[in-house]
Amino acid sequence: GESVGLHLPTLSVQEGDNSIINCAYSNSASDYFIWYKQESGKGPQFIIDIRSNMDKRQGQRVTVLLNKTVKHLSLQIAATQPGDSAVYFCAENINQAGTALIFGKGTTLSVSS
Amino acid sequence: GAVVSQHPSRVICKSGTSVKIECRSLDFQATTMFWYRQFPKQSLMLMATSNEGSKATYEQGVEKDKFLINHASLTLSTLTVTSAHPEDSSFYICSANEGWSTEAFFGQGTRLTVV
Repeated sequence: GESVGLHLPTLSVQEGDNSIINCAYSNSASDYFIWYKQESGKGPQFIIDIRSNMDKRQGQRVTVLLNKTVKHLSLQIAATQPGDSAVYFCAENINQAGTALIFGKGTTLSVSS
Repeated sequence: GAVVSQHPSRVICKSGTSVKIECRSLDFQATTMFWYRQFPKQSLMLMATSNEGSKATYEQGVEKDKFLINHASLTLSTLTVTSAHPEDSSFYICSANEGWSTEAFFGQGTRLTVV
């Protein structure tokens, strides 16, 4: 299963499926975007980032897509594994020293075997 | 990658008491640290920006006298929740940027429970 387009608070997929998690960001001046994974009771863990001069960036099993026209960010996870189960947040920043990350709403990803 | 250590990871305190949470950058110097608060099933909300050697900048709606922030060195920022009440129970998370980099490193969070 996968979700495209709108932000969903929860996403349930089967192990091995591809997952797509969406995020709409708010500030048109933002030019640095990051996806974080947060497991229960822990701090956010960096997954992948992208700067506004790019529209796609790939990592290991993950891809981030950026659409500045509609202020939309997505995270694609290939071959989702049970260990990917967590809450995923996007964050934005105006790429200026001393400025904080602003977090979007999270999506809880549940992966069943 | 750079490591940010937050202490304690869990704390339970009585109403009316104060609690101090420490955020340390272990292998880099952090000119700026940030404090976030996270309620259950919600996102991280920025509380304040902590600048080394100067006063913290608080977000709208965050009481500076309630949440005291001290950033006395390039590796340590502290958040003190004063006169804690049950509604202050939350997950508090700090992050630190190395020098003037925009890359943030997060602590493991502090679960505060006020009884």
